[in-house]
Amino acid sequence: EDQVTQSPEALRLQEGESSSLNCSYTVSGLRGLFWYRQDPGKGPEFLFTLYSAGEEKEKERLKATLTKKESFLHITAPKPEDSATYLCAVQALDNNNDMRFGAGTRLTVKP
Amino acid sequence: EAQVTQNPRYLITVTGKKLTVTCSQNMNHEYMSWYRQDPGLGLRQIYYSMNVEVTDKGDVPEGYKVSRKEKRNFPLILESPSPNQTSLYFCASSLGSIGNEQFFGPGTRLTVL
Repeated sequence: EDQVTQSPEALRLQEGESSSLNCSYTVSGLRGLFWYRQDPGKGPEFLFTLYSAGEEKEKERLKATLTKKESFLHITAPKPEDSATYLCAVQALDNNNDMRFGAGTRLTVKP
Repeated sequence: EAQVTQNPRYLITVTGKKLTVTCSQNMNHEYMSWYRQDPGLGLRQIYYSMNVEVTDKGDVPEGYKVSRKEKRNFPLILESPSPNQTSLYFCASSLGSIGNEQFFGPGTRLTVL
């Protein structure tokens, strides 16, 4: 069965303190790995899609990378407005209708 | 503005009283889906729809029904709600099911007493 595990569950950073969030996955064949941001009381908001190992994508202070076993979301010099829960999801090649989500990493950035 | 809307946003009800949560999207998306989100469990798919009149079960379909009579609407029906269906529910849509990012609604917080 496809599995997605995110770590850590929660992360507290000082403003400007760079770090990384991890998303480990087990899937028979990866169609795509997705990163979403979720603010309290809101629905998830799409950030990135990665399709193959070695691929990287960037958006402002965020950079997502992908290997055959895991993905990292690197946050460079975070600001308090980056505080949110970050969700990772995978879609398998043999299951076009299933988006399997991890439980998320709750990020808090202190000023 | 492209969006997914859900109603109601908050609902408190009692065991056994049928309820419907509406979902509508204005992006002409073919694929729509319902999720529930519980602490520590992440988002779990309840039902999905590939297109009008085409629906199928996700990971946790027990106790729920859906319908897709129009492309834009995908209501979630709880015929006889129970306390274990207390959760945060999200509707989502995408162009298609394959490799496309999903657009999520704002969520419906349901409490079943």
